[in-house]
Amino acid sequence: EPEVTQTPSHQVTQMGQEVILHCVPISNHLYFYWYRQILGQKVEFLVSFYNNEISEKSEIFDDQFSVERPDGSNFTLKIRSTKLEDSAMYFCASGQGQILNTGELFFGEGSRLTVL
Amino acid sequence: GESVGLHLPTLSVQEGDNSIINCAYSNSASDYFIWYKQESGKGPQFIIDIRSNMDKRQGQRVTVLLNKTVKHLSLQIAATQPGDSAVYFCAETYYGGSQGNLIFGKGTKLSVKP
Repeated sequence: EPEVTQTPSHQVTQMGQEVILHCVPISNHLYFYWYRQILGQKVEFLVSFYNNEISEKSEIFDDQFSVERPDGSNFTLKIRSTKLEDSAMYFCASGQGQILNTGELFFGEGSRLTVL
Repeated sequence: GESVGLHLPTLSVQEGDNSIINCAYSNSASDYFIWYKQESGKGPQFIIDIRSNMDKRQGQRVTVLLNKTVKHLSLQIAATQPGDSAVYFCAETYYGGSQGNLIFGKGTKLSVKP
């Protein structure tokens, strides 16, 4: 069964360092997303990406965040200068179409980021 | 502002019993709702969805009920099994608002006792 894969599974970094989280969405999907979940809290939307550009972003997704689809398979989230409060589980998700049209989003298993 | 919340943060049931997990939403414009299951160390997994033009939808052992009058959503799991133990999230979105901005609730932890 096709799945969304994320690497690394866990990354520890020092405050102020840059971090890149990697995702390989399901191959025939066109819509890509990043969500995050701070420990013990709800899942929060960060950004959606379609047709090689950001289609929507939340207030959390400020200038220190960026996304890129450098080739036909990878979808990356970059955090330029990490802060302590960026510590969270980051989930990548993909879908065949807009949620309202096709319903299901497929989530990866997440990348845990710990900022010291 | 918009919010999706859950009445019960934890729910403990006996194996074989039925489970009911509740969710309240505040945005009357929301027209699409999804229940997700999240097992420990994994990402959210789609269970079932419902659109606002419906009040009930059934899947395999799961039923989602939507009451738009009181803005309430519930997930019913029949004959709960140990493998159902997880955190369950409801999520909402609305047409015209987003292409992916699902608003998640805080989650209810379901524990199934053998």
